[in-house]
Amino acid sequence: QTVVTQEPSFSVSPGGTVTLTCGLSSGSVSTNHYPSWYQQTPGQAPRTLIYSTNTRSSGVPDRFSGSIVGKKAALTITGAQADDESDYYCVLYMGSGIYVFGTGTKVTVL
Amino acid sequence: EVQLLESGGGLVQPGGSLRLSCAASGFTFTNYAMTWVRQAAGKGPEWVSGITGSGGGTYYADSVKGRFSISRDNSKNTLYLQMNSLRAEDTAVYYCAKAPGQFTGSGYFDSWGQGTLVTVSS
Repeated sequence: QTVVTQEPSFSVSPGGTVTLTCGLSSGSVSTNHYPSWYQQTPGQAPRTLIYSTNTRSSGVPDRFSGSIVGKKAALTITGAQADDESDYYCVLYMGSGIYVFGTGTKVTVL
Repeated sequence: EVQLLESGGGLVQPGGSLRLSCAASGFTFTNYAMTWVRQAAGKGPEWVSGITGSGGGTYYADSVKGRFSISRDNSKNTLYLQMNSLRAEDTAVYYCAKAPGQFTGSGYFDSWGQGTLVTVSS
């Protein structure tokens, strides 16, 4: 069973930078997994932030960026703002129409 | 503007069945793959199932394979999820989401509905 792991939580100061990662229980994340990132606040549907590793979805501020760092996908928030306080989930495409969500990271801005 | 509106959730007993619907508007429905994602209370989302734009390809998570069936009626711009042999662990908010292309391997989901709650309990 494939497990996609993320840090459970991060705290960042307003204006600060934080990098969240998304790894595989076995193997490396590559661009072939088309890593995507979603932001979710309580009671709301997920919002698409990044797709295909590093492409920002329409309307997403450029303080959000995606990359591959080592063996993991990464989401970096540069210049964090109070309304970035949310849960963040990565999704990896495993092939054959199958997707797996990451375990999620709760980001606190304080 | 893309709009996705889920319906059909509710309370069902273990072993029972339920059919969810997702009414789509604002785009040419047949040109896009669709997916169902669920989220149990306090947990992260879980990909459940996907279907190609034509409906000819369907895909399932192991946790629902053999119990759930995804389908679509492109003449009605509607996506469905037939859920049989429901278990307590199927309790979740179920979201439909749109893919950016006709095939499920597009890599991500670009639009989401607001979800419908399914509760499996006696």
